[in-house]
Amino acid sequence: SQQGEEDPQALSIQEGENATMNCSYKTSINNLQWYRQNSGRGLVHLILIRSNEREKHSGRLRVTLDTSKKSSSLLITASRAADTASYFCAAPYSGGGADGLTFGKGTHLIIQP
Amino acid sequence: SQTIHQWPATLVQPVGSPLSLECTVEGTSNPNLYWYRQAAGRGLQLLFYSVGIGQISSEVPQNLSASRPQDRQFILSSKKLLLSDSGFYLCAWSVGTREQYFGPGTRLTVT
Repeated sequence: SQQGEEDPQALSIQEGENATMNCSYKTSINNLQWYRQNSGRGLVHLILIRSNEREKHSGRLRVTLDTSKKSSSLLITASRAADTASYFCAAPYSGGGADGLTFGKGTHLIIQP
Repeated sequence: SQTIHQWPATLVQPVGSPLSLECTVEGTSNPNLYWYRQAAGRGLQLLFYSVGIGQISSEVPQNLSASRPQDRQFILSSKKLLLSDSGFYLCAWSVGTREQYFGPGTRLTVT
């Protein structure tokens, strides 16, 4: 069954503003991942946060994980037009095995110039 | 560095025709390999995964099958396509239980 669910489904902000996307999942996991997909393209891995981590940074990206609430958030600071894309959270199917990821439906982010 | 290739990039096939999509990975050994399908405006659905040559696991019953004839080659097939098989097919690889790296995808339209 589907693990990750992103919120909001769509988000439109002005360039330079911060964008926050949320993800909720259902069962215990040992890591949660965020991916970006530009229209009609493959997915690009952004960041992986392990269950024993609460926050992780990568450039303008900040990811938090709250295992007690089974939720995660992705913050993109100082957004740019090139950040326009769909963003997905993904969690391992069986909690941590090599048997694939389950993805949410994604948040479609539009950065207005 | 590692690279992943998928072909063809786009494909239009009539209902009832066979299908073969190929995925190859370079620059890594014994990767885990995955096939996903993405319907328009939706997230990804895991179809198959493989942890080694000849080892295929399926997540959902369907009209498709997968094979792994070589360590870094993953093939998605169908004997007879259905309209519902249309979608964006993505191959991915990983090592261990870490992040996955995706290919550019194949857009399949069944007419």
